[in-house]
Amino acid sequence: NAGVTQTPKFQVLKTGQSMTLQCAQDMNHEYMSWYRQDPGMGLRLIHYSVGAGITDQGEVPNGYNVSRSTTEDFPLRLLSAAPSQTSVYFCASSSARTGGRETQYFGPGTRLLVL
Amino acid sequence: AQKVTQAQTEISVVEKEDVTLDCVYETRDTTYYLFWYKQPPSGELVFLIRRNSFDEQNEISGRYSWNFQKSTSSFNFTITASQVVDSAVYFCALRDGRGATNKLIFGTGTLLAVQP
Repeated sequence: NAGVTQTPKFQVLKTGQSMTLQCAQDMNHEYMSWYRQDPGMGLRLIHYSVGAGITDQGEVPNGYNVSRSTTEDFPLRLLSAAPSQTSVYFCASSSARTGGRETQYFGPGTRLLVL
Repeated sequence: AQKVTQAQTEISVVEKEDVTLDCVYETRDTTYYLFWYKQPPSGELVFLIRRNSFDEQNEISGRYSWNFQKSTSSFNFTITASQVVDSAVYFCALRDGRGATNKLIFGTGTLLAVQP
């Protein structure tokens, strides 16, 4: 199993550009989430999904869109990038089974710089 | 409101020293889960341990041990005989036991530097 994969690893954008951060998992996990990591602030939840076709907002959703058309993929879209979105983005997934759903496994991260 | 506090921003030790990373949490839930993750310089997040609120037994895994105390709302992490490879940022996180959000509340992390 590859686990949770993210692409790209690093991206530079200009203000106003759009892009999609890709996230995929091959563990058949129901739950998937996106977090951003900023210095001194830990990780904060952007959006999450409890299954294909179901998404909801987290703590810091503004400026981001998500969709979940398959169990495996959970892309994060920036419609009009802003310098405040410069961050490291992590995708995570977890099982829905009792005893396993509480533990989230993270992808390697995408480092985004918005100029 | 839920909150996780890691008051130690940075810790520096010399190899073979023992070191304890503190984690204090706040929650009104009776069922919740606590986690520790390691973020080495390469940047990925590595899951270390999960503890639920009904299990107050301390856990030991090799050089790592965790002390969960509900009375003080703490979930501290101790590394015995630290090694250079332990150098990383360590995050403590909290998840409530309700619903399906699977939302984790993270502390701000503790940077551990182990000097040779």
